[in-house]
Amino acid sequence: QKEVEQDPGPLSVPEGAIVSLNCTYSNSAFQYFMWYRQYSRKGPELLMYTYSSGNKEDGRFTAQVDKSSKYISLFIRDSQPSDSATYLCAMNHYGNNRLAFGKGNQVVVIP
Amino acid sequence: GAVVSQHPSWVICKSGTSVKIECRSLDFQATTMFWYRQFPKQSLMLMATSNEGSKATYEQGVEKDKFLINHASLTLSTLTVTSAHPEDSSFYICSARDGDTVNQPQHFGDGTRLSIL
Repeated sequence: QKEVEQDPGPLSVPEGAIVSLNCTYSNSAFQYFMWYRQYSRKGPELLMYTYSSGNKEDGRFTAQVDKSSKYISLFIRDSQPSDSATYLCAMNHYGNNRLAFGKGNQVVVIP
Repeated sequence: GAVVSQHPSWVICKSGTSVKIECRSLDFQATTMFWYRQFPKQSLMLMATSNEGSKATYEQGVEKDKFLINHASLTLSTLTVTSAHPEDSSFYICSARDGDTVNQPQHFGDGTRLSIL
């Protein structure tokens, strides 16, 4: 079993819809959770960073962590064509530099 | 804040050439920087962890004599692909952590597309 599972998609939604992405993980030691957005031929850009269970909101983005279920989610409200990108979840635990990444989820927002 | 600059963004060169890629943290000091490789439609693969003033730690299967890493200051790490061959063609991305603690997130550069002819 991989440490982090993420359905690669692709996921197509109409403009204005809510995008829902998620990752599951197997290592209960993971404490720090990140969502990155990567446009084609660019490096990943940090969108959200959380370290406790619950919701964290930043503008149109909401990150959700459920440590008991080993499940994290990213929601994008009022999606825009500019949100079309690949979204990567990543996580690590204290004392370990290495980030465990999901495979990435390609999202296409159709105007 | 937390901007990481990577240069060059694209390199095309002949087989046998050595190529140097620079990674700079512009607005913070990075004790630790990371080098990744990414193949099309795949996630990032960690190659090595670079600590300022000490030798890099390479992941299993990554040749340290092939991929030379130097982290001479708190804002600059370099990756040199020595005697590059077509199989080294890939997208190389660096990242840096703002701060000394592991619980700070990594910030990534925009990557270097390396094409070896």
